[in-house]
Amino acid sequence: DAKTTQPTSMDCAEGRAANLPCNHSTISGNEYVYWYRQIHSQGPQYIIHGLKNNETNEMASLIITEDRKSSTLILPHATLRDTAVYYCIPHAGNMLTFGGGTRLMVKP
Amino acid sequence: DAGVTQSPTHLIKTRGQHVTLRCSPISGHKSVSWYQQVLGQGPQFIFQYYEKEERGRGNFPDRFSARQFPNYSSELNVNALLLGDSALYLCASSLAGSSGYYNEQFFGPGTRLTVL
Repeated sequence: DAKTTQPTSMDCAEGRAANLPCNHSTISGNEYVYWYRQIHSQGPQYIIHGLKNNETNEMASLIITEDRKSSTLILPHATLRDTAVYYCIPHAGNMLTFGGGTRLMVKP
Repeated sequence: DAGVTQSPTHLIKTRGQHVTLRCSPISGHKSVSWYQQVLGQGPQFIFQYYEKEERGRGNFPDRFSARQFPNYSSELNVNALLLGDSALYLCASSLAGSSGYYNEQFFGPGTRLTVL
Protein backbone atom coordinates (compact mmCIF):
# COMPACT_ATOMS: atom_id res chain seq x y z
CA ASP A 1 0.00 0.00 0.00
CA ALA A 2 1.09 3.57 -0.68
CA LYS A 3 2.63 5.71 2.04
CA THR A 4 0.69 8.73 3.24
CA THR A 5 1.50 12.10 4.77
CA GLN A 6 -1.08 13.81 6.97
CA PRO A 7 -0.80 16.75 9.37
CA THR A 8 -0.30 15.51 12.90
CA SER A 9 -3.06 17.70 14.27
CA MET A 10 -5.62 20.32 13.25
CA ASP A 11 -8.14 22.51 15.00
CA CYS A 12 -11.53 23.52 13.68
CA ALA A 13 -14.27 25.76 15.06
CA GLU A 14 -17.61 24.11 15.66
CA GLY A 15 -19.98 24.69 12.75
CA ARG A 16 -17.20 25.44 10.29
CA ALA A 17 -15.93 23.16 7.57
CA ALA A 18 -13.00 20.91 8.43
CA ASN A 19 -10.66 20.22 5.52
CA LEU A 20 -8.23 17.39 6.17
CA PRO A 21 -5.47 16.93 3.57
CA CYS A 22 -3.58 13.78 2.69
CA ASN A 23 -0.64 13.21 0.36
CA HIS A 24 -0.35 9.77 -1.24
CA SER A 25 2.04 10.40 -4.12
CA THR A 26 2.97 6.71 -4.51
CA ILE A 27 -0.61 5.49 -4.83
CA SER A 28 -1.11 2.65 -7.32
CA GLY A 29 -3.66 2.75 -10.10
CA ASN A 30 -5.88 0.14 -8.47
CA GLU A 31 -5.81 1.61 -4.96
CA TYR A 32 -8.86 3.37 -3.64
CA VAL A 33 -8.45 6.21 -1.15
CA TYR A 34 -10.24 5.30 2.07
CA TRP A 35 -10.88 7.55 5.05
CA TYR A 36 -11.56 6.26 8.54
CA ARG A 37 -11.76 8.00 11.88
CA GLN A 38 -11.27 6.79 15.39
CA ILE A 39 -12.91 8.45 18.33
CA HIS A 40 -11.08 7.86 21.59
CA SER A 41 -11.19 4.22 22.76
CA GLN A 42 -13.60 3.14 20.02
CA GLY A 43 -13.06 1.05 16.89
CA PRO A 44 -12.28 2.92 13.67
CA GLN A 45 -15.29 4.15 11.75
CA TYR A 46 -15.50 4.07 7.96
CA ILE A 47 -16.21 7.49 6.47
CA ILE A 48 -15.87 7.46 2.70
CA HIS A 49 -13.75 6.18 -0.17
CA GLY A 50 -13.11 6.89 -3.83
CA LEU A 51 -10.93 5.99 -6.78
CA LYS A 52 -10.81 8.96 -9.14
CA ASN A 53 -13.97 10.97 -8.86
CA ASN A 54 -15.04 13.14 -5.99
CA GLU A 55 -17.45 11.45 -3.64
CA THR A 56 -20.04 12.65 -1.15
CA ASN A 57 -22.11 10.86 1.44
CA GLU A 58 -24.05 11.81 4.54
CA MET A 59 -20.87 12.15 6.58
CA ALA A 60 -18.36 13.88 4.35
CA SER A 61 -17.05 14.79 0.92
CA LEU A 62 -13.86 13.44 -0.63
CA ILE A 63 -11.93 15.47 -3.16
CA ILE A 64 -9.23 13.56 -5.09
CA THR A 65 -6.80 15.46 -7.31
CA GLU A 66 -6.69 14.56 -10.97
CA ASP A 67 -3.25 12.95 -10.63
CA ARG A 68 -4.53 11.07 -7.56
CA LYS A 69 -1.46 12.05 -5.55
CA SER A 70 -3.45 13.80 -2.86
CA SER A 71 -6.95 14.07 -1.46
CA THR A 72 -8.94 16.16 0.98
CA LEU A 73 -11.66 15.00 3.33
CA ILE A 74 -14.24 17.69 4.02
CA LEU A 75 -16.57 17.67 7.00
CA PRO A 76 -18.97 20.45 5.97
CA HIS A 77 -20.22 21.48 9.41
CA ALA A 78 -17.94 20.10 12.11
CA THR A 79 -19.43 19.32 15.51
CA LEU A 80 -17.77 18.48 18.80
CA ARG A 81 -18.53 14.81 18.12
CA ASP A 82 -16.23 14.95 15.09
CA THR A 83 -13.20 15.25 17.36
CA ALA A 84 -11.18 12.17 16.46
CA VAL A 85 -8.08 10.84 14.70
CA TYR A 86 -8.66 10.75 10.95
CA TYR A 87 -6.79 8.22 8.82
CA CYS A 88 -6.26 8.41 5.07
CA ILE A 89 -5.52 4.93 3.67
CA PRO A 90 -4.82 4.02 0.03
CA HIS A 91 -6.07 0.46 -0.19
CA ALA A 92 -6.53 -2.26 -2.75
CA GLY A 93 -5.93 -5.54 -1.03
CA ASN A 94 -7.06 -7.28 2.06
CA MET A 95 -5.41 -5.19 4.75
CA LEU A 96 -5.67 -1.60 5.90
CA THR A 97 -2.35 0.06 6.74
CA PHE A 98 -2.95 2.77 9.31
CA GLY A 99 -0.45 5.60 9.54
CA GLY A 100 -0.33 8.26 12.20
CA GLY A 101 -3.45 10.07 11.04
CA THR A 102 -4.56 13.61 11.83
CA ARG A 103 -5.89 14.43 15.27
CA LEU A 104 -8.79 16.82 14.62
CA MET A 105 -9.92 18.90 17.57
CA VAL A 106 -13.27 20.65 17.09
CA LYS A 107 -13.58 23.55 19.48
CA PRO A 108 -16.70 25.43 20.64
CA ASP B 1 -29.01 -3.72 12.06
CA ALA B 2 -26.43 -5.04 14.50
CA GLY B 3 -22.87 -4.00 13.85
CA VAL B 4 -19.76 -6.04 14.43
CA THR B 5 -19.75 -7.51 17.91
CA GLN B 6 -16.76 -8.67 19.91
CA SER B 7 -16.38 -10.53 23.16
CA PRO B 8 -15.23 -10.16 25.79
CA THR B 9 -15.01 -6.39 26.18
CA HIS B 10 -12.10 -6.53 28.59
CA LEU B 11 -9.77 -9.31 29.61
CA ILE B 12 -6.89 -9.62 32.05
CA LYS B 13 -4.39 -12.45 31.65
CA THR B 14 -0.95 -13.27 33.00
CA ARG B 15 2.21 -13.94 31.01
CA GLY B 16 2.34 -17.38 29.42
CA GLN B 17 -1.41 -17.86 29.36
CA HIS B 18 -3.58 -18.38 26.31
CA VAL B 19 -6.46 -16.16 25.17
CA THR B 20 -9.35 -16.52 22.71
CA LEU B 21 -11.15 -13.48 21.36
CA ARG B 22 -14.39 -13.72 19.44
CA CYS B 23 -15.99 -11.70 16.69
CA SER B 24 -19.36 -11.78 14.94
CA PRO B 25 -19.49 -9.91 11.62
CA ILE B 26 -22.33 -7.86 10.23
CA SER B 27 -25.01 -10.10 8.77
CA GLY B 28 -24.17 -10.89 5.16
CA HIS B 29 -20.48 -10.08 5.50
CA LYS B 30 -18.20 -12.96 4.64
CA SER B 31 -14.84 -11.40 5.42
CA VAL B 32 -13.36 -10.85 8.87
CA SER B 33 -10.09 -9.10 9.65
CA TRP B 34 -8.23 -8.76 12.94
CA TYR B 35 -6.11 -5.80 14.02
CA GLN B 36 -3.98 -5.05 17.07
CA GLN B 37 -3.81 -1.50 18.40
CA VAL B 38 -1.18 -0.72 20.98
CA LEU B 39 -1.76 2.42 23.02
CA GLY B 40 -0.80 5.54 21.10
CA GLN B 41 -0.45 3.82 17.72
CA GLY B 42 -2.70 3.06 14.77
CA PRO B 43 -4.17 -0.42 14.32
CA GLN B 44 -1.90 -3.08 12.81
CA PHE B 45 -3.22 -5.83 10.57
CA ILE B 46 -2.99 -9.38 11.93
CA PHE B 47 -5.21 -11.62 9.75
CA GLN B 48 -7.96 -11.62 7.17
CA TYR B 49 -10.34 -14.52 6.58
CA TYR B 50 -12.79 -14.80 3.73
CA GLU B 51 -15.15 -17.71 3.26
CA LYS B 52 -13.31 -19.56 6.04
CA GLU B 53 -9.93 -19.30 4.31
CA GLU B 54 -6.98 -17.18 5.37
CA ARG B 55 -6.50 -14.43 2.79
CA GLY B 56 -3.82 -12.37 4.49
CA ARG B 57 -1.43 -12.39 7.40
CA GLY B 58 0.45 -9.49 8.94
CA ASN B 59 3.86 -9.51 10.57
CA PHE B 60 2.93 -11.30 13.76
CA PRO B 61 4.53 -14.39 15.36
CA ASP B 62 3.07 -17.87 15.12
CA ARG B 63 1.68 -17.45 18.63
CA PHE B 64 -1.16 -15.65 16.90
CA SER B 65 -3.69 -17.76 15.04
CA ALA B 66 -7.26 -17.38 13.89
CA ARG B 67 -10.06 -19.21 12.25
CA GLN B 68 -13.44 -18.48 10.70
CA PHE B 69 -16.52 -20.61 11.20
CA PRO B 70 -19.27 -21.59 8.72
CA ASN B 71 -21.47 -18.78 10.08
CA TYR B 72 -18.58 -16.35 9.31
CA SER B 73 -17.85 -15.58 12.95
CA SER B 74 -14.20 -15.71 13.90
CA GLU B 75 -11.82 -16.39 16.75
CA LEU B 76 -8.38 -14.95 17.36
CA ASN B 77 -6.10 -17.07 19.54
CA VAL B 78 -2.90 -15.90 21.18
CA ASN B 79 -0.64 -18.39 22.94
CA ALA B 80 2.15 -17.82 25.45
CA LEU B 81 1.08 -14.26 26.18
CA LEU B 82 3.73 -11.59 26.58
CA LEU B 83 3.45 -8.21 28.28
CA GLY B 84 3.74 -6.64 24.83
CA ASP B 85 0.53 -8.33 23.71
CA SER B 86 -1.42 -5.88 25.86
CA ALA B 87 -3.52 -3.95 23.36
CA LEU B 88 -6.95 -3.30 21.92
CA TYR B 89 -7.83 -6.11 19.53
CA LEU B 90 -10.16 -5.02 16.78
CA CYS B 91 -12.28 -7.09 14.46
CA ALA B 92 -13.60 -5.74 11.18
CA SER B 93 -16.00 -7.24 8.69
CA SER B 94 -16.56 -6.50 5.02
CA LEU B 95 -18.64 -7.80 2.14
CA ALA B 96 -15.75 -8.53 -0.16
CA GLY B 97 -12.56 -10.41 0.46
CA SER B 98 -10.30 -8.44 -1.81
CA SER B 99 -10.11 -5.28 -3.83
CA GLY B 100 -13.22 -3.74 -5.17
CA TYR B 101 -15.52 -0.84 -4.58
CA TYR B 102 -17.56 -2.53 -1.84
CA ASN B 103 -14.59 -3.36 0.35
CA GLU B 104 -15.04 -0.93 3.22
CA GLN B 105 -14.37 -2.54 6.57
CA PHE B 106 -16.65 -2.03 9.54
CA PHE B 107 -15.01 -2.30 12.93
CA GLY B 108 -16.27 -3.62 16.22
CA PRO B 109 -15.64 -1.91 19.56
CA GLY B 110 -12.63 -4.10 20.30
CA THR B 111 -11.44 -6.28 23.14
CA ARG B 112 -9.06 -4.64 25.59
CA LEU B 113 -6.46 -7.24 26.62
CA THR B 114 -4.18 -6.58 29.55
CA VAL B 115 -1.30 -8.98 30.19
CA LEU B 116 0.23 -8.82 33.67
